[in-house]
Amino acid sequence: SQKIEQNSEALNIQEGKTATLTCNYTNYSPAYLQWYRQDPGRGPVFLLLIRENEKEKRKERLKVTFDTTLKQSLFHITASQPADSATYLCALRNEKLTFGTGTRLTIIP
Amino acid sequence: GAGVSQSPSNKVTEKGKDVELRCDPISGHTALYWYRQSLGQGLEFLIYFQGNSAPDKSGLPSDRFSAERTGGSVSTLTIQRTQQEDSAVYLCASSLAGKSTGELFFGEGSRLTVL
Repeated sequence: SQKIEQNSEALNIQEGKTATLTCNYTNYSPAYLQWYRQDPGRGPVFLLLIRENEKEKRKERLKVTFDTTLKQSLFHITASQPADSATYLCALRNEKLTFGTGTRLTIIP
Repeated sequence: GAGVSQSPSNKVTEKGKDVELRCDPISGHTALYWYRQSLGQGLEFLIYFQGNSAPDKSGLPSDRFSAERTGGSVSTLTIQRTQQEDSAVYLCASSLAGKSTGELFFGEGSRLTVL
């Protein structure tokens, strides 16, 4: 069956360090993968997209990698700040967009 | 409007009652999704509308759930004979069909509590 797993339900990182979140999938051949941020009580907000033929994508302090052989995407936040604390969701696109369970990230001052 | 609008933002109902949740997508967005998010959980796909195509209803959990989209714009999600396990936040999202990123724009959700 198809699965999207974000290991680490919760992750605590010291301010200033790099936070790395993982998204693994099985039985998908996604055209692309997206990452979203969700704050408590709010809807998710789109951050980055990476296509199947791209290895890496950057946006400011964010970096996403996509390894279609390992079926894995890594999401990095460098120089992390307390304001980066939120739940981060990966999503895969086949015919529709399917989300992982999310990782709750807390940046500790 | 500027973003995706959902109403009501909060709904408390008694078990067995019917509820309707409304989503007003961003103007011009032809794709519309409904997701459900239970407390501390990820987003569970419910239904997907794309233009005039038949909707993808593969995520609807039971025949008590239905959704329609009138005129390619506003969508209503209806839950009949609500059960306590239906309690969740129902999120609507829209996107521009054909846009290569397929980025979804979410509303703030409708929080449903079934007593």
